[in-house]
Amino acid sequence: AQTVTQSQPEMSVQEAETVTLSCTYDTSESDYYLFWYKQPPSRQMILVIRQEAYKQQNATENRFSVNFQKAAKSFSLKISDSQLGDAAMYFCAYRASNYQLIWGAGTKLIIKP
Amino acid sequence: NAGVTQTPKFQVLKTGQSMTLQCAQDMNHEYMSWYRQDPGMGLRLIHYSVGAGITDQGEVPNGYNVSRSTTEDFPLRLLSAAPSQTSVYFCASSPNAGFEQFFGPGTRLTVL
Repeated sequence: AQTVTQSQPEMSVQEAETVTLSCTYDTSESDYYLFWYKQPPSRQMILVIRQEAYKQQNATENRFSVNFQKAAKSFSLKISDSQLGDAAMYFCAYRASNYQLIWGAGTKLIIKP
Repeated sequence: NAGVTQTPKFQVLKTGQSMTLQCAQDMNHEYMSWYRQDPGMGLRLIHYSVGAGITDQGEVPNGYNVSRSTTEDFPLRLLSAAPSQTSVYFCASSPNAGFEQFFGPGTRLTVL
């Protein structure tokens, strides 16, 4: 069965600095999708970034980028120029071929002003 | 577009009661799913549907039923509520399984 592991329950970063959130996953599939979602205190789940496994190029969305290492089954999220509005829970998720999304336990990101 | 809507936002039940959590989307998405979120854990898939008339079980289906009679609606039924079902429930939809899922605002359910 697929699993997703986020080993950092909590991370903190100074405003304007860069932080990297870790995610590893376990799968025997070769074709899949990976996602990072953000959940602010409002509870709304918001997509941050998506990566298709067949693409070697790392996805980027403005200040957010990923380091996708397929062989190592690693999918980390880098947030550059951190802003107060980035404070939230961040979840890594894996989409398997049977359409199910498998989620990590989340990382709480704290931004220090 | 309203996106994905869920009702109610909050609900308190007594053990043994039944209820239905409503979920609707107006984006004509084929794929819909229900998750529960418990403290310290990621979301866990309860049931999902790849189109009207088609549903399947996720990771934690016991105690829940779903049906999908229309593309727009995907209600989740709790047959006999138990304290272990205290959680936040999210409904999500996507145009297909590979695209991002759009989430509703969630329902916080407490079972006493």
